[in-house]
Amino acid sequence: KQEVTQIPAALSVPEGENLVLNCSFTDSAIYNLQWFRQDPGKGLTSLLLIQSSQREQTSGRLNASLDKSSGRSTLYIAASQPGDSATYLCALSTNAGKSTFGDGTTLTVKP
Amino acid sequence: SQTIHQWPATLVQPVGSPLSLECTVEGTSNPNLYWYRQAAGRGLQLLFYSVGIGQISSEVPQNLSASRPQDRQFILSSKKLLLSDSGFYLCAWSLQVNTEAFFGQGTRLTVV
Repeated sequence: KQEVTQIPAALSVPEGENLVLNCSFTDSAIYNLQWFRQDPGKGLTSLLLIQSSQREQTSGRLNASLDKSSGRSTLYIAASQPGDSATYLCALSTNAGKSTFGDGTTLTVKP
Repeated sequence: SQTIHQWPATLVQPVGSPLSLECTVEGTSNPNLYWYRQAAGRGLQLLFYSVGIGQISSEVPQNLSASRPQDRQFILSSKKLLLSDSGFYLCAWSLQVNTEAFFGQGTRLTVV
């Protein structure tokens, strides 16, 4: 059974800092890994999707990496802004489209 | 472009009452559809998924059921709600299995 862990559970940084969010998983037989952003009381917004055959994906100030051999993914946020404050969730997709989610990292960027 | 609609946004229901949450997708055909539940401060748990009309797979035993009466419509139901059914319910779709998933804005259900 796939288990997904996100550490830390919460993170507070000053504006402008570069930061890394971590996601670890136990089963490397995945189809893809997706990073989401969730604002309080809202749905999930897809940030980046990394296919199993890929090592990383980039979108603007975000960069996500995938290392299946070590069971790890990281989400790098450059030059953080207060608007980046949210909960970030990683999800791993296995067969039949079933996704297993981590519990998320709640990020606060202080002005 | 594709959009997903989920309603209502919030719902307060008494114990023992029925439930019907609706989710519709526009701008695509034959999407894979998913219902998730999110406990406070936690990740999402997959409840049901569907790869086509009338095809429903349940992931966890529970007091809920799902139906897909039309290609782009996914309904989450219960005949009698329990207190433990309270939570944040999210509908999602993907174009194919194991491609990028897109989520609705969620329904906050409180059973009292």
